[in-house]
Amino acid sequence: QKEVEQNSGPLSVPEGAIASLNCTYSDRGSQSFFWYRQYSGKSPELIMFIYSNGDKEDGRFTAQLNKASQYVSLLIRDSQPSDSATYLCAARRNDYKLSFGAGTTVTVRA
Amino acid sequence: DVKVTQSSRYLVKRTGEKVFLECVQDMDHENMFWYRQDPGLGLRLIYFSYDVKMKEKGDIPEGYSVSREKKERFSLILESASTNQTSMYLCASTQGADQPQHFGDGTRLSIL
Repeated sequence: QKEVEQNSGPLSVPEGAIASLNCTYSDRGSQSFFWYRQYSGKSPELIMFIYSNGDKEDGRFTAQLNKASQYVSLLIRDSQPSDSATYLCAARRNDYKLSFGAGTTVTVRA
Repeated sequence: DVKVTQSSRYLVKRTGEKVFLECVQDMDHENMFWYRQDPGLGLRLIYFSYDVKMKEKGDIPEGYSVSREKKERFSLILESASTNQTSMYLCASTQGADQPQHFGDGTRLSIL
């Protein structure tokens, strides 16, 4: 079992719609979770991080964490073509290292 | 803003060569990391360092070594490059374990 799993995608959404990205993790001791966006040929850039159960909103992005279900999600509201990218979920393990999912590719159709 | 600079964006080397990848950060961060990224496999940790001259193996350290002589600089060394080390290499830094990691632009390394 991979430590961090993401829905495989690709995910195609129309412009203006909500894109929903899901991530599950296996290390129950994980406390910190991060979402990165990676454009093709570029390096990952941080979008959001979340430590506590519940929702965290930043502009058009909302991260949701449910530690009991070992589940993290990212919602992108009012999706724009510039949101087309691969989104990486990462969880901090008990040994302080990050485990990354393989990523979900999102395409926003104009 | 945190700036993590990797010395080369693209690099082509030959099998058996010793290869050095350099990474510098400007935020006085304690922790620095080297990853490689391959299609379908995501980011995998090669080595990390939590202080000058300190290093720990990540998940895939075989064939690699690292050096951290100064706090701002973390070098990845391929002792004898092989074709299966062709990959995108990413350096990252962070101040604390719970803080986000900030990535450099990456080095796309091809071993021929």
